[in-house]
Amino acid sequence: GQNIDQPTEMTATEGAIVQINCTYQTSGFNGLFWYQQHAGEAPTFLSYNVLDGLEEKGRFSSFLSRSKGYSYLLLKELQMKDSASYLCAVTSSNYQLIWGAGTKLIIKP
Amino acid sequence: IAGITQAPTSQILAAGRRMTLRCTQDMRHNAMYWYRQDLGLGLRLIHYSNTAGTTGKGEVPDGYSVSRANTDDFPLTLASAVPSQTSVYFCASRADGDTDTQYFGPGTRLTVL
Repeated sequence: GQNIDQPTEMTATEGAIVQINCTYQTSGFNGLFWYQQHAGEAPTFLSYNVLDGLEEKGRFSSFLSRSKGYSYLLLKELQMKDSASYLCAVTSSNYQLIWGAGTKLIIKP
Repeated sequence: IAGITQAPTSQILAAGRRMTLRCTQDMRHNAMYWYRQDLGLGLRLIHYSNTAGTTGKGEVPDGYSVSRANTDDFPLTLASAVPSQTSVYFCASRADGDTDTQYFGPGTRLTVL
């Protein structure tokens, strides 16, 4: 079957660094996405990885290892506005996204 | 219009009633999607359309129907609503290109009593 796993909830401190992991098992792979979703709002695109390695975009970085079926999202210099859910999704062979349940990130002062 | 719009924002509906959720995009994206999002579960695909005139079933299509008469509009219809269809519904469209990024509308919060 197809499965994406990520922690349900994480807590971190303002100004710190946090890493959110995602593991996947899918029948096909055409790329991995990270989305951010604030409570009561729509998901918004953060990053896309299709090749192994680290993609850096400001305070956010995303890593992919296709051989291990593993990705992480790294958030640096955490701000209170980073409190949100972070969704991992994999593009399967028919261009549809398979979604994890999301990780709720709580930032404390 | 800029991006994707959905209507209504929220709705309370009696069980057995028919309801159409509207979705419109102005980005000329070919592919569009309907998801439902429930607490503790990931986004689940209901129906999709890869281009105007075609539709397909996703993971949870039962009780829902869609149409795609043109590029911009992708309405979702609940023929006879049931309480288990209480959820937040998101419409999305996919950018044509290398990354296949999907962009989401603001969502419709539907409660079926």
